[in-house]
Amino acid sequence: DTGVSQDPRHKITKRGQNVTFRCDPISEHNRLYWYRQTLGQGPEFLTYFQNEAQLEKSRLLSDRFSAERPKGSFSTLEIQRTEQGDSAMYLCASSLFVGLAKNEQYFGPGTRLTVT
Amino acid sequence: AQSVSQHNHHVILSEAASLELGCNYSYGGTVNLFWYVQYPGQHLQLLLKYFSGDPLVKGIKGFEAEFIKSKFSFNLRKPSVQWSDTAEYFCAVTGFKTIFGAGTRLFVKA
Repeated sequence: DTGVSQDPRHKITKRGQNVTFRCDPISEHNRLYWYRQTLGQGPEFLTYFQNEAQLEKSRLLSDRFSAERPKGSFSTLEIQRTEQGDSAMYLCASSLFVGLAKNEQYFGPGTRLTVT
Repeated sequence: AQSVSQHNHHVILSEAASLELGCNYSYGGTVNLFWYVQYPGQHLQLLLKYFSGDPLVKGIKGFEAEFIKSKFSFNLRKPSVQWSDTAEYFCAVTGFKTIFGAGTRLFVKA
């Protein structure tokens, strides 16, 4: 399967712990995006990379959140000192960016985080 | 402020009924428009997209959407829904970043 994959699919953690999620994009895609989705809402943009450069971060992304894409391939999203409000589905998407047009994103299955 | 508004949060239809889901956006500049669908237990999938050209675009499974620039709208339509169309539908706008609407949950009664 050559789609976007995410690991783990589910994560339960206690408040205050750190968690890290991984996303493997479609191999030829140069852009990678992270979103957060809570119940009854659409995905909310967190950050995106073009190759290894992080080009934009949402104000939703507090100092406890950090994302990396060190070699321009897979990406990790780390949440430090988790809070109950961090409970959500974390989605990764990738796209082949060839200019502003045609920025079609392909989504992974998501990582569901539950903070107890 | 950039935003996407989906008019209905929940829609219930009987099979063979026609569907129209509303989407309005507020975004300054050139945009690309998308409808994504999320079937129960599955991840987001692209239903259709508009980049330029003919404002009436056709997607998978008989869906279509019309871009009306003057109304900042991109409504999704299907002439006759099936039970298998039961899903959540998201409108999205991409400029320099992607903004999603809150989604519309569609339930089709068999």
